[in-house]
Amino acid sequence: EPEVTQTPSHQVTQMGQEVILRCVPISNHLYFYWYRQILGQKVEFLVSFYNNEISEKSEIFDDQFSVERPDGSNFTLKIRSTKLEDSAMYFCASRRDRDTYEQYFGPGTRLTVT
Amino acid sequence: GIQVEQSPPDLILQEGANSTLRCNFSDSVNNLQWFHQNPWGQLINLFYIPSGTKQNGRLSATTVATERYSLLYISSSQTTDSGVYFCAGVLLWDYKLSFGAGTTVTVRA
Repeated sequence: EPEVTQTPSHQVTQMGQEVILRCVPISNHLYFYWYRQILGQKVEFLVSFYNNEISEKSEIFDDQFSVERPDGSNFTLKIRSTKLEDSAMYFCASRRDRDTYEQYFGPGTRLTVT
Repeated sequence: GIQVEQSPPDLILQEGANSTLRCNFSDSVNNLQWFHQNPWGQLINLFYIPSGTKQNGRLSATTVATERYSLLYISSSQTTDSGVYFCAGVLLWDYKLSFGAGTTVTVRA
């Protein structure tokens, strides 16, 4: 069964450094998402992406964040200058098309900012 | 208001026991999904269940959309079932998922 994959599984970085989190969505899916979960809290929406542009973003998704689909398979989340409060699990998800609602989640990347 | 509510917040089970987790959702949410977050933090897709009943091994789920609730059943629980179970629904005005706060399940040997 096709699945969403994410790399790395764990990333440790120093405050102020840039990080790129990578995701490979399911190949025939058109809609892509990033979600975040701070330790012990709910999973919360960050951004949605369709047709090579952002469809919607939450208020968390400020100028320090960006997303990109650099080729036909990868979907990346970049944090330009990490803060301590960016430490969280980051989940990528994809959805097949406009008429389907199910989102398929990757296993997540644990980001630790020191 | 809260769009997706889960109960109970915590559940402790003896290995082999059965349990039911509940998810209530508001009118602004539909197309429920259930996830299991394992102790390593990984999120595992369990069910997409907008209505009706589905089964996968020892797990099954039922959604009664007209009454705005969904149930996840764990039968013959095992220690590997431990973790946090989330339900999430699609917000009607867009396609993003709204998650509940989760039920933390601990299965003791």
